[in-house]
This record gives sequence, structure tokens and C-alpha cells, in this order.
Amino acid sequence: NAGVTQTPKFRILKIGQSMTLQCAQDMNHNYMYWYRQDPGMGLKLIYYSVGAGITDKGEVPNGYNVSRSTTEDFPLRLELAAPSQTSVYFCASSYGGQETQYFGPGTRLLVL
Amino acid sequence: KNQVEQSPQSLIILEGKNCTLQCNYTVSPFSNLRWYKQDTGRGPVSLTIMTFSENTKSNGRYTATLDADTKQSSLHITASQLSDSASYICVVTTGGGNKLTFGTGTQLKVEL
Repeated sequence: NAGVTQTPKFRILKIGQSMTLQCAQDMNHNYMYWYRQDPGMGLKLIYYSVGAGITDKGEVPNGYNVSRSTTEDFPLRLELAAPSQTSVYFCASSYGGQETQYFGPGTRLLVL
Repeated sequence: KNQVEQSPQSLIILEGKNCTLQCNYTVSPFSNLRWYKQDTGRGPVSLTIMTFSENTKSNGRYTATLDADTKQSSLHITASQLSDSASYICVVTTGGGNKLTFGTGTQLKVEL
């Protein structure tokens, strides 16, 4: 199993541009999550999904959108990128809400 | 406000020595407590998960303890190795497991 994969690994965006961060898992997990990690801060939940077709907001959803059309994929969309969105983004998945979360390698995003 | 505080912020130990990392939380209602290891530039990897009724859980040289009454947890690392150098993150889950509060981590460096 590849586990949780994320693309791209690194991206530079200009203010106002848009992009989609890709996340895929091959473990048949129901739950998927998007987090951001800022320097010296704990991870913060952006959005999560408990199954295909179902998404919900986390702690810091503003400026982001998600969709979950399949069990495997959970893309994160940034519209109108802002410098405050400069961060490292992690995708994670788990069988259930109480189970171990498996994290991807992260996407480092720089907005200039 | 749900908070997870970890101490120390950073720690340097010699290879072969033991160390203990601390985690205090004010998260309510409590569901479970997790310890993750995060290598530089990588996603977090789960070490242990403990529910309210569990006092201790081990994973190889890692042993986590939980005191739900005082809302404290510790992670003890035995016979440290250079590969233990990483950030160790304490995470407390509430509700159905979809709400996770992350600590900012303890940065551990193991030296020769």
C-alpha cells in the first residue's frame, strides 16, 4: 500500500491565484482530514470527511473548499490565495473517528 | 477553550539515555489521547492511543501514561537512539473523534 499520498510537495503561489492540493489514500479509509501546520504551532483541522459525499468544516475552514466524490480522494481547493495561507498542509485518513490517523508527507505552500 | 500544553519545548539528551515528555490538557469532553512522532519534513506517525480507562500503553521503547483525573500524560522513551530525534506531539480528541486538539510538540534531539 502507498498509504496517504499528497501532491505537489512544494508550490509557490502569487496572491490571488488558486490551486488544488491533491490527497489520495489506498487503505479504504472512511475518514479523511486536511490540516495545516504553521511554524511553532500545533496542527489545525481545516476540513474533514466521514465518507464519500460528506464533508464538514474544521477549526480553520475560511479560504478553503473540499470535495469527496470517491472514498480514495480528498482534494483541498484554495481560492484567492493569501499570504496567511503560507503553511505546510497535511492530509490524513483513518477507518473511524476514534482510530489511528495516517498522515501524508505534506505539501509546503508559499504565497507571495 | 480546549488546550494541550507540552513541556519541555525542546530537549537534548545523549544516546542511550531515557527521557520523559509531559502533556497537560484542558480538553473536554475527553475521548482519547494520542502521541505522535514527527520527523523533520514528514507527516506525524502515531505512537500510542489511550482511552479514558487506560493508564499506560507501550510501543517498543515508547511508553505513554495517562492520568485522566489530573488531565496529564507523559511519554517515556527508553534507551534513546539517534533516530528518536524528532518532534513529539500530544493530541487530545473530543466527541466522536473528529475534533482533535494538537499540542505544539516537544523537539527532541539525541546526540552521540
